[in-house]
Amino acid sequence: DIQMTQSPASLSASLGETVTIECLASEDIYSNLAWYQQKPGKSPQLLIYYANSLNDGVPSRFSGSGSGTQYSLKINSLQSEDVSIYFCQQNYDSPWTFGGGTKLELK
Amino acid sequence: QVQLQQSGAELVKPGSSVKISCKASGYTFTSYDMHWIKQQPGNGLEWIGWIYPGNGNTKYNQKFNGKATLTADKSSSTAYMQLSSLTSEDSAVYFCARLGTGSWFDYWGQGVMVTVSS
Repeated sequence: DIQMTQSPASLSASLGETVTIECLASEDIYSNLAWYQQKPGKSPQLLIYYANSLNDGVPSRFSGSGSGTQYSLKINSLQSEDVSIYFCQQNYDSPWTFGGGTKLELK
Repeated sequence: QVQLQQSGAELVKPGSSVKISCKASGYTFTSYDMHWIKQQPGNGLEWIGWIYPGNGNTKYNQKFNGKATLTADKSSSTAYMQLSSLTSEDSAVYFCARLGTGSWFDYWGQGVMVTVSS
């Protein structure tokens, strides 16, 4: 199975700050990577797919980048509504696997 | 609009089985894979498997072979997952999620909490 390792596991940042979350795959996944946002008590929502494509309706302050085994999610100008857990997920090979999640809180 | 409405929370005894549902609306149910994902408290997400309602084809994460059984009823646009021989390790929230074009989970159900306790 492809292992997805996210860092950091938790993150505290101030409003207006820029934050970056990393995701490392155990092998090359050729940009077959998505990022999901899960707000407390809710189901995950698709933010980014194919590593850098923004899903419809997602604010432009979110962006994704990376290739090979290393990927990142960047949030510019952090807003209060961005407090969530963020997960990466690969669909390059079965079984599809998720990162352990990054919990983002406001400082 | 696309909606996935899941059944309510379940409290079940160890060794028993449970069947949870996911009713789809707002799109052609038979044209998209339906996936199931497990989330244990404080833990990440685990992919269980998928079913293609158009023909009933399924694929499972090997870890869930024998644990989960996926079915779908085209007449009611409802997908089901049965979990058997339940233990405390099966206590979790279970999501259904549609696989959209591009093979990403574009719509999710609200989740069903299954608690296994005597």
